[in-house]
Amino acid sequence: ETGVTQSPTHLIKTRGQQVTLRCSSQSGHNTVSWYQQALGQGPQFIFQYYREEENGRGNFPPRFSGLQFPNYSSELNVNALELDDSALYLCASSPRLAIVHNEQFFGPGTRLTVL
Amino acid sequence: AQRVTQPEKLLSVFKGAPVELKCNYSYSGSPELFWYVQYSRQRLQLLLRHISRESIKGFTADLNKGETSFHLKKPFAQEEDSAMYYCALRRQGGSEKLVFGKGTKLTVNP
Repeated sequence: ETGVTQSPTHLIKTRGQQVTLRCSSQSGHNTVSWYQQALGQGPQFIFQYYREEENGRGNFPPRFSGLQFPNYSSELNVNALELDDSALYLCASSPRLAIVHNEQFFGPGTRLTVL
Repeated sequence: AQRVTQPEKLLSVFKGAPVELKCNYSYSGSPELFWYVQYSRQRLQLLLRHISRESIKGFTADLNKGETSFHLKKPFAQEEDSAMYYCALRRQGGSEKLVFGKGTKLTVNP
């Protein structure tokens, strides 16, 4: 069974640019959640995707958007990057949404630096 | 508002000493509480959840609804317990967002 993978590991962008981060969910999982973890903070929920539809969103502006594909992998897109977007971006997958007590399995994260 | 507070940013104990990592929460309704751990150079992983009422790696946590707390305890700390610990909550029975605290870095000294 393959765990959650994320790419790239690190990347550096400049203000105003756009970035796409990728996540492959764990085998058998159809729900993906994205979190932003700023330095010294806990992870903060961005949004969740279930069967290619957004299923809940945190307090992030519309320039944060996402996609989920038929194979349940997912992308996080951030437009018009700002310095405060510098953070570790975590992806977490979980099995069927309707199951109570679902555990979320986290990927290693993508470290984004905005200059 | 949903909020998780971990009052200690850093906690240092000696091997064999008891350890308690504090977690307080604010939530209107019935939350599900979790402790996640991140060891050095490893990914975030679930340590335990209040629903299971189990002990993992010698750690236990009891949900105290009156005090809205979910403190993590271990009677005898080991060096390998050194890690970053995050308390988190979500709506009970839900699969949506986890709300995390800022974390406590535990160092167990030899």
